[in-house]
Amino acid sequence: SYELTQPLSVSVALGQTARITCGGNNIGSKNVHWYQQKPGQAPVLVIYRDSNRPSGIPERFSGSNSGNTATLTISRAQAGDEADYYCQVWDSITGVFGTGTKVTVL
Amino acid sequence: EVQLVESGGVVVQPGGSLRLSCAASGFTFDDYAMHWVRQAPGKGLEWVSLISWDGGSTYYADSVKGRFTISRDNSKNSLYLQMNSLRAEDTALYYCAKDISPGSTMPDYFDYWGQGTLVTVSS
Repeated sequence: SYELTQPLSVSVALGQTARITCGGNNIGSKNVHWYQQKPGQAPVLVIYRDSNRPSGIPERFSGSNSGNTATLTISRAQAGDEADYYCQVWDSITGVFGTGTKVTVL
Repeated sequence: EVQLVESGGVVVQPGGSLRLSCAASGFTFDDYAMHWVRQAPGKGLEWVSLISWDGGSTYYADSVKGRFTISRDNSKNSLYLQMNSLRAEDTALYYCAKDISPGSTMPDYFDYWGQGTLVTVSS
């Protein structure tokens, strides 16, 4: 079965840039979506199809995908960006989520 | 405003059955595929099942295949998950999620989620 690997945690200083990776075999050939989940809340879509932002998501959130790694970048990190982040793809009409990354803003 | 409201989560014994419901509003329900996604306590997200806009196509994670059945009633704007032969490892918060696509071919991404309903499998 297809697997997506994310770092367990990423720390970023306030106002700096955080990069969250999502590793998978030839993930560059798939559409990658990213979800943000704050404690006690449902996930929220922050990036779809590799690099597109839904309406209402700040421009500080961006995404890229190539080869075996997709990346979610949070620029000018704010305290409100502290959350768990999950990447997600479809593999033969089976949904696959990454292992999740906890982002801490210092 | 899109709303997805799950219900039906309770404490159930191993081997038992349960049906979850998701009431949808604020969009044309029968235009879109729908999903169930679950999250065990303190763990990550796990996709469970997908149903196409018309109910004609359904898909399941290997972990629930043969035990869970997804269905929908477009006349009632409702999504369901029938869960049989429940195991302790099925304990989770179950989310209903809307797909941006009809789901007739490939699913796409989840643009709206409910707040979840908690299923606990324990004796």
